[in-house]
Amino acid sequence: DGGITQSPKYLFRKEGQNVTLSCEQNLNHDAMYWYRQDPGQGLRLIYYSQIVNDFQKGDIAEGYSVSREKKESFPLTVTSAQKNPTAFYLCASSAPPGNTGELFFGEGSRLTVL
Amino acid sequence: DQQVKQNSPSLSVQEGRISILNCDYTNSMFDYFLWYKKYPAEGPTFLISISSIKDKNEDGRFTVFLNKSAKHLSLHIVPSQPGDSAVYFCAASYGGNTDKLIFGTGTRLQVFP
Repeated sequence: DGGITQSPKYLFRKEGQNVTLSCEQNLNHDAMYWYRQDPGQGLRLIYYSQIVNDFQKGDIAEGYSVSREKKESFPLTVTSAQKNPTAFYLCASSAPPGNTGELFFGEGSRLTVL
Repeated sequence: DQQVKQNSPSLSVQEGRISILNCDYTNSMFDYFLWYKKYPAEGPTFLISISSIKDKNEDGRFTVFLNKSAKHLSLHIVPSQPGDSAVYFCAASYGGNTDKLIFGTGTRLQVFP
C-alpha cells in the first residue's frame, strides 16, 4: 500500500545527543515536509523540500537539519542545538504542483529527551 | 501571531447530534482552507477542503462553511458518531502553496453515546 513510513515511533535521547528521524514515502510525491506538534499548539513547519537535493527552512528550523538525496526519503536530524526537542514529529508529502494543500502524513515519531 | 485560531480546545457532543467546530483566521490572503482529523499517536488525515470562491462544501456527513467577510469557517458533522472523536485541525493556505499551510491549534471532539 502507498503511504508514508516514519521510524522510530518512539525515541528517547539524552541531552546533547543528535538523533535522526526517518521518513520514507512510496507515493511518488515530489514535496515532503517535517512538522512538529506540541500540546495545545498547531502543527509547525520545520523544513520542507519541493524537489530532490533542495530544501527550505520552515518557521522553526533552528536546531534541525534535513537532507533530500532521494525522492522517497527525507530524514530529519534533531541536533543538540535544539533547545526543546521533546515533541511529536510528523512527516508529510504532497502531490506535484497544482495540489492545493492536501498533505499525506505519516504516523509520527515521538521524541523524548531525558 | 496565530494566523489561524481555533478558540475551543474541546467539544463534547452526544451521538446523533450535530458537531460544529469553528476556526477563525486573520490573513485575508488565505484562499484555501482544509480540515484535518487526527487520532492519538497517528498522523492527521485530510477530511474536507474549501476554496475561497465558495461558501460551502459538502461531503457526506461533513460540511464546511466559509464566511470570508468574518474570516471564519466552520465544520459541521451531522449526525455525529463515536468514531468522529478525534482532534480536528483547520488549516489555511494562499496561492495553492502547501509550504504556506498554516494550522490552527486543534479542537478535541468527543462524541458520547
